[in-house]
Amino acid sequence: IAGITQAPTSQILAAGRRMTLRCTQDMRHNAMYWYRQDLGLGLRLIHYSNTAGTTGKGEVPDGYSVSRANTDDFPLTLASAVPSQTSVYFCASSILAGGENEQFFGPGTRLTVL
Amino acid sequence: AQKVTQAQTEISVVEKEDVTLDCVYETRDTTYYLFWYKQPPSGELVFLIRRNSFDEQNEISGRYSWNFQKSTSSFNFTITASQVVDSAVYFCALSELVSSGSARQLTFGSGTQLTVLP
Repeated sequence: IAGITQAPTSQILAAGRRMTLRCTQDMRHNAMYWYRQDLGLGLRLIHYSNTAGTTGKGEVPDGYSVSRANTDDFPLTLASAVPSQTSVYFCASSILAGGENEQFFGPGTRLTVL
Repeated sequence: AQKVTQAQTEISVVEKEDVTLDCVYETRDTTYYLFWYKQPPSGELVFLIRRNSFDEQNEISGRYSWNFQKSTSSFNFTITASQVVDSAVYFCALSELVSSGSARQLTFGSGTQLTVLP
């Protein structure tokens, strides 16, 4: 059982380039989330999806977009990367939306924007 | 204003010592949930515990215990007889409704780096 997989593991990207971070879960969870982790700031929610076909904005959505075409996949796209988007990105899922449910996290993607 | 405050940025203890990690939260919701997650050096986040706002009973799980006090808006985490393997960053998190009211958002504290020395 893989749980949540993220790809790539790490990436160095030139500013202005487009980048999609991939996230796939095999637990049939309804809700999925994207967070970024920055030193001293903990994890901050970028976007979320309560169920396939729906998405919502989190605390820091600017510069990012997501889609949820099916239950398993929740890609995060940086349309035009900037250095401030250098961070570690975590995808997570929970069986249901609602906040009371435990979230399961992927291994993370370390992104560096130069 | 920060909604989840973990005032201890770094803590260092010697193995077998007890250590308490503090978490103070702020919310206007009457129904909310509190979590603790562990992030070991390998980087993945591991769920430790969930507590809802109506359950103020303390909980013990092996060497781990949690003290939830609504009166002081605190949800502290104690490790008894710490071990080197406990070295990690520990995050406290609060789940409350997002501003749109359509979903709950998990808000993390900035984390406490715990180092347990042999």
